[in-house]
Amino acid sequence: QSALTQPASVSGSPGQSITISCTGTSSDVGSYNLVSWYQQHPGKAPKLMIYEGSKRPSGVSNRFSGSKSGNTASLTISGLQAEDEADYYCCSYAGSSTSYVFGTGTKVTVL
Amino acid sequence: QVQLVQSGAEVKKPGSSVKVSCKASGGTFSSYAISWVRQAPGQGLEWMGGIIPIFGTANYAQKFQGRVTITADESTSTAYMELSSLRSEDTAVYYCARAGHVEMATIPFDYWGQGTLVTVSS
Repeated sequence: QSALTQPASVSGSPGQSITISCTGTSSDVGSYNLVSWYQQHPGKAPKLMIYEGSKRPSGVSNRFSGSKSGNTASLTISGLQAEDEADYYCCSYAGSSTSYVFGTGTKVTVL
Repeated sequence: QVQLVQSGAEVKKPGSSVKVSCKASGGTFSSYAISWVRQAPGQGLEWMGGIIPIFGTANYAQKFQGRVTITADESTSTAYMELSSLRSEDTAVYYCARAGHVEMATIPFDYWGQGTLVTVSS
């Protein structure tokens, strides 16, 4: 099972919106509405930001939103803030035999 | 509030094994899947496998089949990950992560441990 494909880096200025893509296949992203997104600051454990494609856990800012079209999921961060600078990973359920596959990761830089 | 506390850093020789623990507190331990996710230095996240303690049967990523064993002790609310035949490429931070829903696929990794650095070096 190959990792889901994400852009290596995305950048934006404070207040802008950015979108991170996560491309999989018809065996994972395309088959299930079970994509989750994680934020990871350097030296820290990942933090859940989005689950089931577009749902936000309690406590996560509504500046974070998720969507999916076909085999590609997306995470949008609106009103970009300095604290959003981090690595972001998508993850998709891929069926009972493969279970879970992560994306390659995207480094978000706030200019 | 669910907390996961992992065991400390390990330095291992190539060919040996390592066993990392993950003790949970708060919430219900037995009904929620615990997974192990690793991250090599400067690299991305990689799911290794998981277990639902009440069922006791683990499932593993194909890449680690035969080399990893995940277990859980309900009496101490502790999950374990043992990786054998270690090689230098296994040097990584190993995280345990608990599902946020009894149907793991919906919220697979809601709570995370602090990570355990395993260094494989001769």
